Amino acid sequence: DAGITQSPRHKVTETGTPVTLRCHQTENHRYMYWYRQDPGHGLRLIHYSYGVKDTDKGEVSDGYSVSRSKTEDFLLTLESATSSQTSVYFCAISETDRVSTDTQYFGPGTRLTVL
Amino acid sequence: AQSVAQPEDQVNVAEGNPLTVKCTYSVSGNPYLFWYVQYPNRGLQFLLKYITGDNLVKGSYGFEAEFNKSQTSFHLKKPSALVSDSALYFCAVRDKTGGFKTIFGAGTRLFVKA
Repeated sequence: DAGITQSPRHKVTETGTPVTLRCHQTENHRYMYWYRQDPGHGLRLIHYSYGVKDTDKGEVSDGYSVSRSKTEDFLLTLESATSSQTSVYFCAISETDRVSTDTQYFGPGTRLTVL
Repeated sequence: AQSVAQPEDQVNVAEGNPLTVKCTYSVSGNPYLFWYVQYPNRGLQFLLKYITGDNLVKGSYGFEAEFNKSQTSFHLKKPSALVSDSALYFCAVRDKTGGFKTIFGAGTRLFVKA
């Protein structure tokens, strides 16, 4: 999975609790992304980063925040988890600034269940 | 607005037969098209992409895809299916106006029967 690890791989939590998911890459790629995967929706972009401390919102960013203090780490935080955030979360990376054409490489995913 | 449609939730094919997984798209500019495959409990793996040039794109594991601008399609094909090709396949599209935004289809599950 292209030098990308995600932790934890599985998590069960309760509504209202904060949750942080971590993505770590060893490829030194500049661009990092967080997606969620839900049946019937494919993957949807939550947030992305185009450099250290440079982040922006995707199409489903409500209820999520991110931080990137180092090139290799991209954190996704659910400030107060809700059942609608039960999903599989994927981190992805890409190398170049040709954002339209560059290939994204994905991590193994984190399965999050919010009870 | 950008969109991608994968009209079949599931495709069944016998091993050794050709397979096709369909994808149609809608973008405002020139499309950049991608196919990914997902095996159980794994992340998405890149198969191939169309950026410009030849309409027939060859990718990993013997897969290829044909870009058809008039039909706004980018169907994934393989001449001879293997049982190990059974997986979930995603088509995705970007265009320059979308910036970082990649639109993924809902996915098509491929079953290859021995």
